[in-house]
Amino acid sequence: NAGVTQTPKFRILKIGQSMTLQCAQDMNHNYMYWYRQDPGMGLKLIYYSVGAGITDKGEVPNGYNVSRSTTEDFPLRLELAAPSQTSVYFCATSQGSGYEQYFGPGTRLTVT
Amino acid sequence: QKEVEQDPGPLSVPEGAIVSLNCTYSNSAFQYFMWYRQYSRKGPELLMYTYSSGNKEDGRFTAQVDKSSKYISLFIRDSQPSDSATYLCAPASSNTGKLIFGQGTTLQVKP
Repeated sequence: NAGVTQTPKFRILKIGQSMTLQCAQDMNHNYMYWYRQDPGMGLKLIYYSVGAGITDKGEVPNGYNVSRSTTEDFPLRLELAAPSQTSVYFCATSQGSGYEQYFGPGTRLTVT
Repeated sequence: QKEVEQDPGPLSVPEGAIVSLNCTYSNSAFQYFMWYRQYSRKGPELLMYTYSSGNKEDGRFTAQVDKSSKYISLFIRDSQPSDSATYLCAPASSNTGKLIFGQGTTLQVKP
């Protein structure tokens, strides 16, 4: 089992470009999450989903969009990238509203 | 005031030392107290957790929660170079089901 996979591993974007960060899981977990981690700042929740077709905002949703059409996939969309979105993005899953979350390896994004 | 405060370190100790990592929090509704470990350039992984106040031991690791003072601790006995990582405390309340992460403390254990 691959667990939680994220693509791409690294990406450099120019200001104003858009992109989609991919997250896939084969753990059959219903909850999925997107976090961003800035240096020395811990992880901040961007969006989360409790199941296919259901998403909700987290602490820092501005500038991002998500969709959840299947249990396995939870893509994060950045529209009009800004330097403030330079960060490491982690996708995570849990079974139910579990506090045991399983994280992917992360996507390092730089916006210049 | 941040909901969860954690000294970012870095903390450097010799191999075999006892390490104490700490967090304070402000939300009295927190009932679950998680510790995640994150190796460099990797995703966090759950190390251990406690529910409400008290201690929990798992091998060389002990998690301790004092709800009266809103203080969370993780102790590592006989620390090893392989323990070198960033340790993130993450309390949660059953009301929201969401984890609130501290900034993380970076630990280096020198051989």
